Amino acid sequence: ILNVEQSPQSLHVQEGDSTNFTCSFPSSNFYALHWYRWETAKSPEALFVMTLNGDEKKKGRISATLNTKEGYSYLYIKGSQPEDSATYLCALRFGSTNAGKSTFGDGTTLTVKP
Amino acid sequence: SQTIHQWPATLVQPVGSPLSLECTVEGTSNPNLYWYRQAAGRGLQLLFYSVGIGQISSEVPQNLSASRPQDRQFILSSKKLLLSDSGFYLCAWTRDSNTEAFFGQGTRLTVV
Repeated sequence: ILNVEQSPQSLHVQEGDSTNFTCSFPSSNFYALHWYRWETAKSPEALFVMTLNGDEKKKGRISATLNTKEGYSYLYIKGSQPEDSATYLCALRFGSTNAGKSTFGDGTTLTVKP
Repeated sequence: SQTIHQWPATLVQPVGSPLSLECTVEGTSNPNLYWYRQAAGRGLQLLFYSVGIGQISSEVPQNLSASRPQDRQFILSSKKLLLSDSGFYLCAWTRDSNTEAFFGQGTRLTVV
């Protein structure tokens, strides 16, 4: 069983705070990692696709890093805004021949208070 | 551009009744298709995936089945619903094994 662990489960911050959360996974047979943002009443939307150890991706105030050797990825949000409130899901693909199946973590739910 | 449609948005069904949730993708061909379920407070659990017409793989034993009668149509079914089938169901597609998933709007199923 390939477990993907996300922490913390939930997070409450004030507007303007910077925050980060973690996705941990078994490092063997790693293929790709995806971060998704899931806002209430909407569909999950992809933020980043990361494949190489040491990858760093950035989109506006949100960035992510990847360490495949130790099995973790961090998602950072700089200067959180209320519109950042959402559940952030991490999904791992193990192996290149599995039809793109992903194993999802349980997510980190972020609430940004104005 | 590609779009994915999933319906209905909400469904309340009695125990023992059948189920049919439909998902269609537009604007692409030969997508990989997926059905996920989210249990309360948890992430997404993969139920079924399909790499082509008539090709279905099941990830977990359950009371549900899936079919892909056309290239861009994916159907989730049950002959007799159980209370434990309640949950939030999401359909998704990927262009290939390397790209991100695009999700439908989801179906909230309540079995009563």
